[in-house]
Amino acid sequence: NAGVMQNPRHLVRRRGQEARLRCSPMKGHSHVYWYRQLPEEGLKFMVYLQKENIIDESGMPKERFSAEFPKEGPSILRIQQVVRGDSAAYFCASSPSISGANVLTFGAGSRLTVL
Amino acid sequence: AQTVTQSQPEMSVQEAETVTLSCTYDTSESNYYLFWYKQPPSRQMILVIRQEAYKQQNATENRFSVNFQKAAKSFSLKISDSQLGDTAMYFCAFITGNQFYFGTGTSLTVIP
Repeated sequence: NAGVMQNPRHLVRRRGQEARLRCSPMKGHSHVYWYRQLPEEGLKFMVYLQKENIIDESGMPKERFSAEFPKEGPSILRIQQVVRGDSAAYFCASSPSISGANVLTFGAGSRLTVL
Repeated sequence: AQTVTQSQPEMSVQEAETVTLSCTYDTSESNYYLFWYKQPPSRQMILVIRQEAYKQQNATENRFSVNFQKAAKSFSLKISDSQLGDTAMYFCAFITGNQFYFGTGTSLTVIP
């Protein structure tokens, strides 16, 4: 079991470009969460998805950010027209269900740097 | 509102000693689960320990144990016989409904 796979691990973009972060959940997991971690801060919830459905996107900025989890393939977090304030580590986590007995398994994170 | 508060931004402990990290939370839910996650310098988030809110018995995992006080909404983590590899950020979290809520973390340094 390869665990939660995120790529790229490091991504550098110039202001105005687009960033795409990918997350493949653990085998058998159908629930994906995206979190953002700013330097010296904790994890901030962004979005919770199941296959082909966004369940909760209350933590997503209203503009420029979108997420999807298609029937086939990884979950994608897309940031359009990036700004310097988007520089952060973006963590994906997965679980087999929403029950708390099934804990979140995290990926290693994708670090986005906006120049 | 669901919140998690970790009031100790930084802590240090001598190797082989014991340290306790504090965490309080606020929720109106009666059914939830609590967790401590560790984030070492590699930045990988690793589950340390979890506690079901309906269980009175405190969870234990080797050198890690919790002091769960449900009425006080307190969930502290005790690390015994601290090791250099315990140096990391520690995040307290709980889940209710479909969301995990995380505290801002405590940076623990184990001093040789």
